[in-house]
Amino acid sequence: ETGVTQTPRHLVMGMTNKKSLKCEQHLGHNAMYWYKQSAKKPLELMFVYSLEERVENNSVPSRFSPECPNSSHLFLHLHTLQPEDSALYLCASSQGWLALSSYNEQFFGPGTRLTVL
Amino acid sequence: GENVEQHPSTLSVQEGDSAVIKCTYSDSASNYFPWYKQELGKRPQLIIDIRSNVGEKKDQRIAVTLNKTAKHFSLHITETQPEDSAVYFCAASIRLSGNTPLVFGKGTRLSVIA
Repeated sequence: ETGVTQTPRHLVMGMTNKKSLKCEQHLGHNAMYWYKQSAKKPLELMFVYSLEERVENNSVPSRFSPECPNSSHLFLHLHTLQPEDSALYLCASSQGWLALSSYNEQFFGPGTRLTVL
Repeated sequence: GENVEQHPSTLSVQEGDSAVIKCTYSDSASNYFPWYKQELGKRPQLIIDIRSNVGEKKDQRIAVTLNKTAKHFSLHITETQPEDSAVYFCAASIRLSGNTPLVFGKGTRLSVIA
């Protein structure tokens, strides 16, 4: 599959579980993002990674832990979540730092629909 | 930091009519303004964007205008069709040396009534 992929597409977990969301981009981009999408805040930026370094952490609770092992992969590790964390989690990528001619067009993955019981 | 306000939050139009969605931004250094369309159950996708060196851009039935002085930009959809029904997000970004993430508006749910 080309573009940005995310797994799993759906996830149901209890508050004491530990799970991870995975994102992979096949576009040769250098920057990757996690967004939370819910009815209250439609596109809320959580984390930004550029060249595998975290460049922004938007005051996200520590129960969300991102990991970027290389420029193509991004993970979101989940631990002791709350029911209010139920949302669609979207990953995106863009050309980022090295593409000075780019204007940060972001390509989104299909999202993971997370339900916390 | 940048703050983007988007109005209206919901919009219903009759098929064939025009739809206009407006956004304002706070940081005068912002120079890139994309619009994303998110259909029900699908991912957001870029439909049009405009850079600060132009005032208007068109792509078939879609156009975007930018007023840098007033710090607002708008999406115009003409001859609307049922398949235009979706949530539309505006965004703003500053392209300096490096990567600055997009700041999104809260979205507008457009319903085109056949």
